[in-house]
Amino acid sequence: NAGVMQNPRHLVRRRGQEARLRCSPMKGHSHVYWYRQLPEEGLKFMVYLQKENIIDESGMPKERFSAEFPKEGPSILRIQQVVRGDSAAYFCASSPTVGRKANEKLFFGSGTQLSVL
Amino acid sequence: GQNIDQPTEMTATEGAIVQINCTYQTSGFNGLFWYQQHAGEAPTFLSYNVLDGLEEKGRFSSFLSRSKGYSYLLLKELQMKDSASYLCAVRDRRIKAAGNKLTFGGGTRVLVKP
Repeated sequence: NAGVMQNPRHLVRRRGQEARLRCSPMKGHSHVYWYRQLPEEGLKFMVYLQKENIIDESGMPKERFSAEFPKEGPSILRIQQVVRGDSAAYFCASSPTVGRKANEKLFFGSGTQLSVL
Repeated sequence: GQNIDQPTEMTATEGAIVQINCTYQTSGFNGLFWYQQHAGEAPTFLSYNVLDGLEEKGRFSSFLSRSKGYSYLLLKELQMKDSASYLCAVRDRRIKAAGNKLTFGGGTRVLVKP
C-alpha cells in the first residue's frame, strides 16, 4: 500500500512563473491537507480538501494560491506568479475519515521543495 | 486562535533520556499528536493523547494534562538515529468542520551526541 505520493520532489521556478505541486493521497483516503514549512520552522496549515470540495482554506494566502482535489486524479496546489518568499517545503497529508476514530492521524508525503530564483 | 509552544532545540547524550515539553492554548481540543521529522523527510506519527495521563510505546512515551494545556514527549535510551525534529500538534475540537486538521508547534530539534 503506497503512502502519500508527492511530486515533484524538487521544483525550481523563476520569479513570476507558476508552480504546480501534486499530491496523491494514500489508497482509500479522501481527505487531503496541505502544509507549508519554512526552514527551521513548524508546519503551517494551508488548506483542507475532500474530493471536489474545499473544506477549510483559512491558511491559504488570498492571492496567487489555489488548490483543488478533483474527482479523478491527484490534488494540486497551484502558486501563480511565484515570489522568493514562496520558497519553502510544501507537504501534503491525507486521512481516511473525519474523526470517526479518536486516534485517526494524518499521513504525510515527503514534500515538494520549491525554490524560487 | 491557536498557540502551541515548544523549545527550539535540545541536546542530549546517546543512551540518556530527553523530555520535550509542549504547551498549548487552543480554541478547541480533540487530541494531541507528536510527530518525528528527520531533515528533508516526511513527518511520521509517534503518539496520540486525548485523555490525561501517560501513553507508553517502547522507548517513547507521551503525557497529557488537559487542565494545564501541557504535554511532553519522553525519549529514553537515546540513539543517534533519534536526532530529528519533534513536532507537537493539536487537533481542533470541531471535527465536522476541521476534519483531522492539525495545528503544529514550531518543532524541537533534538541533537543526540555520542
